[in-house]
Order: sequence, then C-alpha cells, then structure tokens
Amino acid sequence: GDSVTQMEGPVTLSEEAFLTINCTYTATGYPSLFWYVQYPGEGLQLLLKATKADDKGSNKGFEATYRKETTSFHLEKGSVQVSDSAVYFCALSGGQGAQKLVFGQGTRLTINP
Amino acid sequence: NAGVTQTPKFRILKIGQSMTLQCTQDMNHNYMYWYRQDPGMGLKLIYYSVGAGITDKGEVPNGYNVSRSTTEDFPLRLELAAPSQTSVYFCASSSPRAGDYGYTFGSGTRLTVV
Repeated sequence: GDSVTQMEGPVTLSEEAFLTINCTYTATGYPSLFWYVQYPGEGLQLLLKATKADDKGSNKGFEATYRKETTSFHLEKGSVQVSDSAVYFCALSGGQGAQKLVFGQGTRLTINP
Repeated sequence: NAGVTQTPKFRILKIGQSMTLQCTQDMNHNYMYWYRQDPGMGLKLIYYSVGAGITDKGEVPNGYNVSRSTTEDFPLRLELAAPSQTSVYFCASSSPRAGDYGYTFGSGTRLTVV
C-alpha cells in the first residue's frame, strides 16, 4: 500500500539557518503530495501542496518540489524563524474516491534564537 | 467561519466506559474523517465518510463506530474503552473540488483511558 517516510527528528536549528526535511513516498498511480504543520496544542494546518510531477508548492517561505523520478517531496526554507518551531507532516493522497491521506510519522522542529 | 469543531478537548475515561467524540463542520464538505495520532507514529485513519449516510472503515477501525446522519456532523463512538485507545483524535473534512485535496482539521481531542 501507499506509504510516506520522513527524516527522523527531532531537528534543532538556530534562527536564520537553512532547513531541509526529507520526505519520500511509495504509491501506485500519481498521488498528490502535501506538507502539514502542527503547532503546539493545535490541529494540523495545510502548509503547501503539489498535485503533479515537477510542481513546486510554496507558502510562508517554505518550498517543496514534487520529484517523481526520486519519489520525493523534501521541505525547504532558506532562513527559519523561532515561530517555525512545530511538527511537520508529509502526506500523500491517491486523489481518488474519498481522498484519504497517508501521513508520515512527523518531524519535530525546534528553532533556537 | 468556525471550520471543523471538535468536543471535548480533553477527556479521561475508565477502562470499559464509553463515550462519543463530537465533530461538526460548517464548510459543506462532503468528505469527513477521523484520525488518531499516537506519539511518533503519525496519523492513522479510523473511519471516513463520503457523504451523509455513507461511512467506511479506515486503517484502524476496531473498537470504534461512526455515523453520518447529516453533512455537518460526524461523531466517533468508543465502546468499552481500552488503554490502547489513549491517543489524540482529530476530525477533518475536505471538498472534492478538482485539484484541491487539502483537509481542514479540528483542534483535536486528547483522550486518556485509565
């Protein structure tokens, strides 16, 4: 079945550092790919998405490119802020029927001032 | 615009008790979902619904039941609570608009079974 694998956390960086969180997937067909963010005590929020190969999703300075050849959707940000501290989830959807999402295990990110 | 509303936010149950987690959305989304989030394990799909009167099992449905009598509401029922059901539960909804498969999540219910 479909699956998503994220880099293990936790990840701790200093403010203004470059961020990469790796995400690879296994899926049949052509899934849509997502990054969700969860701030402490809150539900998940959609951060960005890409629906076909070579698409780049972007939001709030974060970017991720749908790479079909490497089955990857790595999350990047050029200069992180303390306010980016959260748990980040990579997810995929087969895009059919009920759009069920399959999530990675999440990566906890902490940014120190 | 309230989005997806879950109640309660926190609950402690004794083994063998039952309870209903409430979920309602005001976005007229056809699809609704229940996930549980265990530490370090990501989210696992419990049940989902594609519309009023239609529900189906997800990856981890044992010990739970759902109903969908209206578009807005999708309650999750726990019968005979067990310690293995200690988790954070999230309800979500989505729209089948082409190219838009993002979910809207509720803020979660943290359940402890003792």
